Amino acid sequence: DGGITQSPKYLFRKEGQNVTLSCEQNLNHDAMYWYRQDPGQGLRLIYYSQIVNDFQKGDIAEGYSVSREKKESFPLTVTSAQKNPTAFYLCASSRGGAALSYEQYFGPGTRLTVT
Amino acid sequence: AQSVTQLDSHVSVSEGTPVLLRCNYSSSYSPSLFWYVQHPNKGLQLLLKYTSAATLVKGINGFEAEFKKSETSFHLTKPSAHMSDAAEYFCVVKLRDDKIIFGKGTRLHILP
Repeated sequence: DGGITQSPKYLFRKEGQNVTLSCEQNLNHDAMYWYRQDPGQGLRLIYYSQIVNDFQKGDIAEGYSVSREKKESFPLTVTSAQKNPTAFYLCASSRGGAALSYEQYFGPGTRLTVT
Repeated sequence: AQSVTQLDSHVSVSEGTPVLLRCNYSSSYSPSLFWYVQHPNKGLQLLLKYTSAATLVKGINGFEAEFKKSETSFHLTKPSAHMSDAAEYFCVVKLRDDKIIFGKGTRLHILP
């Protein structure tokens, strides 16, 4: 089955610890994205990558870091510098290129709770 | 500036009655437009998309949307609501530079 997997589904961490969220896709998509979702705020873009070994900051990149060493994988690290890390994190991918018609495919999400 | 506005944060309808979820966009040219649905604690699933072909777009689960350039709208409709339609719906705009803008979402409640 083709798709996007995120693990784990639920993650608990103590304040001050870095934590890495996994995102893997087997859709052969060039572009991958990380979003944060908070109640009533919709989705906000953290980072995105259009090609391996390249990525760009989104609207709320502070306190987060990413890497894109392989086409299939786009892990997100939530660092201790992120002031309010508790949220639902969604990973997505899409075919790359300039075509407007390419939709995003989303993973099931990881709910991170930091106490 | 480009933007997406979902005019209602919550919509309640009775089962079997029509659904209307409103979305307006602001863009200097015709973008691609998408509607996604999200059930609780799940990822987003594509319902339908408009990409400059037919202005009336049919999607999954009986949903459809009409692109109206003059009104800069892309409202989502369904003739008859089902309990399983209860979810959050997002209108999304994709621009030429690959920038993607999400609306804040509309939560649809279905009353028995």
